[in-house]
Amino acid sequence: SYELTQPPSVSVSPGQTASITCSGGKLGDKYVCWYQQKPGQSPVLVIYQDTKRPSGIPERFSGSNSGNTATLTISGTQAMDEADYYCQAWDSSTGVFGGGTKLTVL
Amino acid sequence: EVQLVESGGGLVQPGGSLRLSCAASGFTFSTYWMHWVRQAPGKGLVWVSRINSDGSSTNYADSVRGRFTISRDNAKNTLFLQMTSLRAEDTAVYYCTRDLLNSGSYDYWGQGTLVTVSS
Repeated sequence: SYELTQPPSVSVSPGQTASITCSGGKLGDKYVCWYQQKPGQSPVLVIYQDTKRPSGIPERFSGSNSGNTATLTISGTQAMDEADYYCQAWDSSTGVFGGGTKLTVL
Repeated sequence: EVQLVESGGGLVQPGGSLRLSCAASGFTFSTYWMHWVRQAPGKGLVWVSRINSDGSSTNYADSVRGRFTISRDNAKNTLFLQMTSLRAEDTAVYYCTRDLLNSGSYDYWGQGTLVTVSS
């Protein structure tokens, strides 16, 4: 079965750029989306179809996808961005999530 | 305002059954694909199932295929997940989600309903 791999944790200083990766076989041939989840809350879509931002998502969130790796980039990271982030893709009519990355802003 | 409100969760014994519901409002329910996603306590997100807009096509994760059935009532703007032969590993918060433009990504999520499978 298809798998997506994310680093368990990423740390970033306020105002710096955070990059969270998501790896999978030929992932660049698939669309990837990203969700942010804060403790006790439902996930929020921050990027879909690799690079698109839903309405209301700040411009500091951006995405890319090529080869075997998709990347969520948060520019000028703020304390409010501290959360768990999940990538998702589709393979043979099956939804697949990455294991999640805890972003710490310190 | 788009709202998805899940209900039907609770404590059930292994081998038991449960039916989850998701009441949708604030959008034309009958034109959207819908999904269920679950999250075990302290764990990550797991896709469970999806259904197309008119209910004629469904897909399931391998872990639930043959035990869970997704369905919808477009006249009542409600999504369902019938769960049978429940196992301890099915314990999770179950989220109802709306598919954005049939892209396989979810622009709206419910608040979730907790299913606990335990004796």
